Amino acid sequence: QSALTQPASVSGSPGQSITISCTGTSSDVGGYNYVSWYQQHPGKAPKLMIYDVSNRPSGVSNRFSGSKSGNTASLTISGLQAEDEADYYCSSYTSSSLGVFGGGTKLTVL
Amino acid sequence: QVQLVQSGAEVKKPGASVKVSCKASGYTFTSYGISWVRQAPGQGLEWMGWISAYNGNTNYEGRVTMTTDTSTSTAYMELRSLSSDDTAVYYCARLVAHSSSWYPDYWGQGTLVTVSS
Repeated sequence: QSALTQPASVSGSPGQSITISCTGTSSDVGGYNYVSWYQQHPGKAPKLMIYDVSNRPSGVSNRFSGSKSGNTASLTISGLQAEDEADYYCSSYTSSSLGVFGGGTKLTVL
Repeated sequence: QVQLVQSGAEVKKPGASVKVSCKASGYTFTSYGISWVRQAPGQGLEWMGWISAYNGNTNYEGRVTMTTDTSTSTAYMELRSLSSDDTAVYYCARLVAHSSSWYPDYWGQGTLVTVSS
């Protein structure tokens, strides 16, 4: 299973909004509403930020939102804060009943 | 609170096997699955597979074996025929899997496996 495609890096200033894309195929992102997003700070375990495309777990800021159109899912972070600087990964269920991650996106808050 | 506590770091020689444990607490173990993910140094996350703690059904490929012990709420991942490419941090994560949801939510702290001669 090939990794989902994410931009290697994105950046934004505090208070701005950014969007990270995650492109797959009809066998993963496009075929199921099972896309999740993870935030990972250096040396730490990933943290769930969005599940099932657009749902936010309890305790995650409402500045984080998710969506999907066709084979591409997106994570939007509004009102950027310094603490949002991290790596972000998308994940999707696949037709093989396994998961697949994106390559990861490094978010820099300028 | 949900916690997944993994076993400690391992150093193995090429060709050997490693078995990582993941002890769950704070929830009903058999109501969820356990997924395994690894991350090579400086690299991204890679799915390895998952196991249902309810019925033991698994989905993984290659040199991996995943098992659970419901009496101790512990999951295990064994990787055989290790090479230097298997040097990575290995994570377990609780897997939410039913008809309308599928995602890992709570993660263990990670176990560093180093393969070196």
